[in-house]
Amino acid sequence: AQSVAQPEDQVNVAEGNPLTVKCTYSVSGNPYLFWYVQYPNRGLQFLLKYITGDNLVKGSYGFEAEFNKSQTSFHLKKPSALVSDSALYFCAVRDIEQAGTALIFGKGTTLSVSS
Amino acid sequence: DTGVSQDPRHKITKRGQNVTFRCDPISEHNRLYWYRQTLGQGPEFLTYFQNEAQLEKSRLLSDRFSAERPKGSFSTLEIQRTEQGDSAMYLCASSLGGGGLNTEAFFGQGTRLTVV
Repeated sequence: AQSVAQPEDQVNVAEGNPLTVKCTYSVSGNPYLFWYVQYPNRGLQFLLKYITGDNLVKGSYGFEAEFNKSQTSFHLKKPSALVSDSALYFCAVRDIEQAGTALIFGKGTTLSVSS
Repeated sequence: DTGVSQDPRHKITKRGQNVTFRCDPISEHNRLYWYRQTLGQGPEFLTYFQNEAQLEKSRLLSDRFSAERPKGSFSTLEIQRTEQGDSAMYLCASSLGGGGLNTEAFFGQGTRLTVV
């Protein structure tokens, strides 16, 4: 069965420091991986995705994520955090080789960036 | 704004009543999804349409839930005989679909259902 784990409920970082939000996944085949962000009273917004190719993918708002097949991880990173990055972040996976189309989401990680 | 709109944004209903939610996807998107999100959890998949065909349903979608997408445009999600456990945020998403599943989905702001 497909699953996503976000081991940290909350990540706290000071503005200007690098941030990492962790995600590990489990699929039977090869994964498509996604990161979404949710701001209060707003819908989920797409940040970036890994489909194939370069393991380091770049997305919106200066975020990037690194796909590591051996560790089954897809951690979200940003070199310099902004207070405005404070939000709820979700990692999601889709198993390429399964017939279903559903994105499976993690429980989410709250990122808090202090000034 | 993602371009996916949901109506209503909030719904309070008494237990046992029926409710219906509407989703208008981004106009050129042929795929439409419904998800449910409860506090402290990520979105959970409910059902998926490609054009007007409902191609996939989750085990979470009990017999009290029904979804339609007539003419492959907007979609409705109906919950019959609501229960307190149905209280959640119901999210709709849409995406472009070709042969692969690598396109990202765009989400609406959701409909928050409270069953009292």
